[in-house]
Parts: sequence; C-alpha cells; structure tokens
Amino acid sequence: DADVTQTPRNRITKTGKRIMLECSQTKGHDRMYWYRQDPGLGLRLIYYSFDVKDINKGEISDGYSVSRQAQAKFSLSLESAIPNQTALYFCATSDSRLADETQYFGPGTRLLVL
Amino acid sequence: AQSVTQPDIHITVSEGASLELRCNYSYGATPYLFWYVQSPGQGLQLLLKYFSGDTLVQGIKGFEAEFKRSQSSFNLRKPSVHWSDAAEYFCAVGPFTGGGNKLTFGTGTQLKVEL
Repeated sequence: DADVTQTPRNRITKTGKRIMLECSQTKGHDRMYWYRQDPGLGLRLIYYSFDVKDINKGEISDGYSVSRQAQAKFSLSLESAIPNQTALYFCATSDSRLADETQYFGPGTRLLVL
Repeated sequence: AQSVTQPDIHITVSEGASLELRCNYSYGATPYLFWYVQSPGQGLQLLLKYFSGDTLVQGIKGFEAEFKRSQSSFNLRKPSVHWSDAAEYFCAVGPFTGGGNKLTFGTGTQLKVEL
C-alpha cells in the first residue's frame, strides 16, 4: 500500500461548489503539506501543518482552508470553487525528527472546476 | 526569499546519450537541495538530496547531482539516458534551519527521450 494516499484522484466540479480533498499517510510523519501544480509554475505551497494543532498558511492560501483531523490525516477544502483553482493538487509529508526533513508526496488529485 | 531557477523548460536527448539538467538557486544560507521526478500521471518521487558533506550526491536510477556553492547550482546528471527516464524533473530548495522544511520548487524541466 502507498504511504501517502489522496482521494479522490480526479474530480470535476462546478463553480461555487464546496469540495474537499483528502490526504492520509501511514509513514508516521508529523508534518504535512498541500501544494498545487500548474503547468509552467511548478509546485506552490498552499498550507502546511507541523502537528495537529499547528496549521500555517503557505504562499497561495487564499480561497482554501485545511483541517488536520489527526496526525495521519490532512484535508484541503475549497469553500467556493472557481475555475482558476483547476490544477493538480499534491499532499506531502515529512518527519521533523530527521535532519533533512525530506518530503514524500502522494499521487496527486486532478481537479477541474467548470 | 529563496528561489529556484530551472532554465530549460524542455530538453530532448537520444537514448544512451548523457544528460544534464540545470538548477540554480538563491538562498542566503546553506540550503537543502532536492531533485524530484514526476512520471506521467504519477506523483513526485525523490531522486536525490543534498544537505551536507560530499558535494557529489548519488541518487536512484543512476542519477547524480553536484552542489556547487560558488555557482549556486545543483545540476542533475546521468551518463546514459534510458527511454523510461522521460518525465518532468523538479529541483527544490529548503531552508537549513530545522524549523520546518518549506520547499521552494523550480518550474520543472520536461525531458523527452528519442529512441
């Protein structure tokens, strides 16, 4: 089984709808991240969480919210989806006990907002 | 603020040829440096990383990268490319602070391998 899983893998929604993307991990890592990937822009950080009670905004948090339900689960919500939120979304995890805190990525969720 | 530049958006090489993907970073202190690969329809897989020690680091799939502080570069190399190496490659930099690894990614280099 994959260490970092994301559901759904693909989603089509309409403008104005609320949607939630979910991320689960079995790596035992304390830190989790949400990124979005757009062609030609690389990955940009949306939110990150250093533990269940510590959530921080990233580079592009407007229009998004997150919830860290447990150490292993980190959800990303789009309260009112808009077309420019069409992108590939990645969840990642890292372990603060490791010196380099390498991030490990899930398979991604492809979101299309019509 | 930290930043990463991958100057080549697309690169095409023949199978068996050598490969070098360029990465330049801007960061005011000693950085962590990473190369990730994204195969079509897949997530990002870590190829290799540098955070201290030997400036030439070996990774998976026969890749290596060299950290050159004087040039602020961390170029990825492979002596002989295989068709399965066709993918998008991302360089990333993170702060050497131990306070959380907020990575900054480059915009990626798309590698095409001609048979």
